[in-house]
Amino acid sequence: EAQVTQNPRYLITVTGKKLTVTCSQNMNHEYMSWYRQDPGLGLRQIYYSMNVEVTDKGDVPEGYKVSRKEKRNFPLILESPSPNQTSLYFCASSSTNSNQPQHFGDGTRLSIL
Amino acid sequence: RKEVEQDPGPFNVPEGATVAFNCTYSNSASQSFFWYRQDCRKEPKLLMSVYSSGNEDGRFTAQLNRASQYISLLIRDSKLSDSATYLCVVTPGTYKYIFGTGTRLKVLA
Repeated sequence: EAQVTQNPRYLITVTGKKLTVTCSQNMNHEYMSWYRQDPGLGLRQIYYSMNVEVTDKGDVPEGYKVSRKEKRNFPLILESPSPNQTSLYFCASSSTNSNQPQHFGDGTRLSIL
Repeated sequence: RKEVEQDPGPFNVPEGATVAFNCTYSNSASQSFFWYRQDCRKEPKLLMSVYSSGNEDGRFTAQLNRASQYISLLIRDSKLSDSATYLCVVTPGTYKYIFGTGTRLKVLA
């Protein structure tokens, strides 16, 4: 089954404790992306990757890091999480570039206390 | 001005009604357009792509008006299961997707 898998689905943690949200896709997609969704603000792009070892900032990259060492994986790293990063996070992938629709993971609900 | 704007709603319509949403975008160079459906904080799911000539998928019709810079979604014969938030997506560049904040639809029995 074609899918984008995120882990964990839910996480409650404390300020400053480094965390990683994993994302994996099995569709051999080149393009992967991370979004956060907040009430009234919609989905905002954090980082995206056009292919292995190629990443770029989206609209809200501050406080986040990503890596793309393998085509299927695109982890999101919060080195020192803060309460304003409490949000619902989605990973997405698509073939080639943004002319193609994206497939989304189930989401990760992150709470930073 | 936001890059992509949608009326947040909610649109409350009776079953069987026809309802239409618009989505305006500011970047005239935008290349691709999509409608997604999102149920209560679940992942967005692709409803349909929007093509220049307009396209239809069952009860759903999508249209693009480049001159006025908006896309539209028409839902005919609304079902209770159509209740959701509808997100429009615009791609102003090769690797960027801009999401609208969504329009809530409630179909009432």
